[in-house]
Amino acid sequence: KAGVTQTPRYLIKTRGQQVTLSCSPISGHRSVSWYQQTPGQGLQFLFEYFSETQRNKGNFPGRFSGRQFSNSRSEMNVSTLELGDSALYLCASSLDRVGLVKNIQYFGAGTRLSVL
Amino acid sequence: AQRVTQPEKLLSVFKGAPVELKCNYSYSGSPELFWYVQYSRQRLQLLLRHISRESIKGFTADLNKGETSFHLKKPFAQEEDSAMYYCALSPVIPFSGGYNKLIFGAGTRLAVHP
Repeated sequence: KAGVTQTPRYLIKTRGQQVTLSCSPISGHRSVSWYQQTPGQGLQFLFEYFSETQRNKGNFPGRFSGRQFSNSRSEMNVSTLELGDSALYLCASSLDRVGLVKNIQYFGAGTRLSVL
Repeated sequence: AQRVTQPEKLLSVFKGAPVELKCNYSYSGSPELFWYVQYSRQRLQLLLRHISRESIKGFTADLNKGETSFHLKKPFAQEEDSAMYYCALSPVIPFSGGYNKLIFGAGTRLAVHP
């Protein structure tokens, strides 16, 4: 079974631009979560999507948004990029079947975004 | 406030020595606790979770609700255990399949020397 796939692996953007990151979950997984990892703040939860709906959200400004498609693939968008948005962005997918105790999240390799 | 604290940034031990990676949490309820590990050039992966009460690669972790701790232990460290270890908390939402939100600690780098 293929793992969680994130594209692209690396991105370089300039301040003020916007960027879209993509995440393809493990086949059959319906939940996709996004995390930001920086040396200063560590791993921080951005948001989670399930059945094309945002189900949970972290404490990030509205410049950070996402969506999920009917095939469970998810995209994350950051508008008006700032230098502080430079980070590794991780996506995780989960089976999330009703009745199961907390599901395991499987992580992708991440997209490294550099804002110049 | 929901918070996970890993007090040590780096833990350096010799092969064969016991290891204990500390994790304390703050949560007004009964969360789920996890340990995730990231080996060099690999992606973040689950090591173990408190509800499973199992030993993975010789590691165990016991949830102590009184001390709000979930320390990771291994009696005899191996060089291949060298990695970054993250303790994580997931809020438990009653009557739900669960929302997949993980709150991570800052991580502890374990270095096992020969």
